[in-house]
Amino acid sequence: EDQVTQSPEALRLQEGESSSLNCSYTVSGLRGLFWYRQDPGKGPEFLFTLYSAGEEKEKERLKATLTKKESFLHITAPKPEDSATYLCAVRAMNRDDKIIFGKGTRLHILP
Amino acid sequence: DVKVTQSSRYLVKRTGEKVFLECVQDMDHENMFWYRQDPGLGLRLIYFSYDVKMKEKGDIPEGYSVSREKKERFSLILESASTNQTSMYLCASIRGRSYNYGYTFGSGTRLTVV
Repeated sequence: EDQVTQSPEALRLQEGESSSLNCSYTVSGLRGLFWYRQDPGKGPEFLFTLYSAGEEKEKERLKATLTKKESFLHITAPKPEDSATYLCAVRAMNRDDKIIFGKGTRLHILP
Repeated sequence: DVKVTQSSRYLVKRTGEKVFLECVQDMDHENMFWYRQDPGLGLRLIYFSYDVKMKEKGDIPEGYSVSREKKERFSLILESASTNQTSMYLCASIRGRSYNYGYTFGSGTRLTVV
């Protein structure tokens, strides 16, 4: 069964304390892995698409990486405004446009 | 600024009512999607549409239907609302099958069925 699992469920960091969020996936043929940011009461906002193992994408303090089994979202020197829920999603060969979302990681950055 | 607009931020409906959730996008996107988001369950796909008059079932279509009469508008219909359909509903769109830029989501409609 195709699955996307994110860990941890929640993470509290001090401002400036770097860390990583994990997204592990089990799908039959990866066609794309996506990261989104969601602020409370709003729809998710697209961050990155990764297609193949070894690929990396960066945006400001965020860097996403991909292996054959998991993806990491690295947050370097986070600021309070980085507080949000981060969602991972996967597009699989046998599901085409039926994207599977993980349950998200709630990130809270303390000033 | 491109947008996906959901007509209502909050809705309260009674059990058994027929409920319409509206979504409009101004990006000329072909594909549109309806998700629901529940704590502990994440986002789950209800229905999607590749084009006008076309619809495809997602993972949890039971109790819902959709309508796409115009390219820019995708409506989700709860035929007879039930309390277990209380949820946050999110509409999204994407140009073709180009996932390089991901979905554009609306701000969501929080529906409460009493």
